[in-house]
Amino acid sequence: SSELTQDPAVSVALGQTVRITCQGDSLRSYYASWYQQKPGQAPVLVIYGKNNRPSGIPDRFSGSSSGNTASLTITGAQAEDEADYYCNSRDSSGNHRRYVVFGGGTKLTVL
Amino acid sequence: QLQLQESGSGLVKPSQTLSLTCAVSGGSISSGGYSWSWIRQPPGKGLEWIGYIYHSGSTYYNPSLKSRVTISVDRSKNQFSLKLSSVTAADTAVYYCARAGGSWEAMDAFDIWGQGTMVTVSS
Repeated sequence: SSELTQDPAVSVALGQTVRITCQGDSLRSYYASWYQQKPGQAPVLVIYGKNNRPSGIPDRFSGSSSGNTASLTITGAQAEDEADYYCNSRDSSGNHRRYVVFGGGTKLTVL
Repeated sequence: QLQLQESGSGLVKPSQTLSLTCAVSGGSISSGGYSWSWIRQPPGKGLEWIGYIYHSGSTYYNPSLKSRVTISVDRSKNQFSLKLSSVTAADTAVYYCARAGGSWEAMDAFDIWGQGTMVTVSS
């Protein structure tokens, strides 16, 4: 099955821009979705599709994709953006195209 | 507004079957174009997709769990359920139910999640 790879940890200075990446072969065929998870809470969808934000998600969150890499960009990171971020997509390998895969997650620290 | 709520046993003995239910409120589980998933998260670890059921009743499971997983739907109660057999300590996790779909771009975008329920496997 396909895998999605994320950096375990990323840091950003308050107010600066940070990019969190997700790599995997399936991203050549399928969009990634991105989730923010704070301690003790369920994940929250922040980006899906080409670059869509659900209602209520600040516009400082944006998504992009190139080749086998999807990116979540936070422009002007805020203290409340400190969280774990996960990507997910469809598995594109063989007969696994109905299956969903998650990345391992990236812990974002806002300094 | 659609909401999901998990319920079930929080403590399961090794080798037994874990059973959870996700109640859907504020909307119908029979609405076309959506899938209904179970996702779990072991303590301190990442998310793992377990499987989903479509509004049509078709099911798809994570290959690593497929032999032990059953997801079913009860349309009369507007809920769907998870059964995971032969559990071990490795199945200890927070279990979430979630909805995805509504468009091609959102087919695997889980936009609504339950609050999660902790299940511990221990004798």
